[in-house]
Amino acid sequence: GENVEQHPSTLSVQEGDSAVIKCTYSDSASNYFPWYKQELGKGPQLIIDIRSNVGEKKDQRIAVTLNKTAKHFSLHITETQPEDSAVYFCAASYEGNQFYFGTGTSLTVIP
Amino acid sequence: SAVISQKPSRDICQRGTSLTIQCQVDSQVTMMFWYRQQPGQSLTLIATANQGSEATYESGFVIDKFPISRPNLTFSTLTVSNMSPEDSSIYLCSAWTGAGYTFGSGTRLTVV
Repeated sequence: GENVEQHPSTLSVQEGDSAVIKCTYSDSASNYFPWYKQELGKGPQLIIDIRSNVGEKKDQRIAVTLNKTAKHFSLHITETQPEDSAVYFCAASYEGNQFYFGTGTSLTVIP
Repeated sequence: SAVISQKPSRDICQRGTSLTIQCQVDSQVTMMFWYRQQPGQSLTLIATANQGSEATYESGFVIDKFPISRPNLTFSTLTVSNMSPEDSSIYLCSAWTGAGYTFGSGTRLTVV
């Protein structure tokens, strides 16, 4: 199956700064790349996704970029706020089929 | 987007017993997925469940330990059999809803 690597495993930023999380994937057939935010005691919540026919997608303070050639994609959070503190997971799949998660990044935003 | 109701939300079980987790989707979905999330870890895919066929298990997971049912397009169950403390985890179901993958809220299982 797909192998998804995610870095860094932990990230601390000052409130208002930007945070970047990077993922690589192994299966060139993968065409759907979601990002999830998981707060303590809760299930993963989709925050943004990107499909392989798009290089970048933005939703307010959150953006995702995809480089299909290099097989990597990144999550960018600008103007971070304390409520952004959570664990973030990337994932990769051939849309609708099995999808595999990265190892997770614990983001702490320091007020 | 679709909503998945998962139950129980948590349980404490004796070793050697079995627990069945249920997931109900509010719309018809072709594929459902079951994940395990051990404390402080990422989500690991256990198996994929399609209606009308046997579930497909990932490496390291077997049907005898994690039997799955998928009787229709809105429902699936995962059973954790002959439990040991190592099975203590959060178990989550997910489904592809056409626009993305939706998750249930998870079942926190503690085996004592």
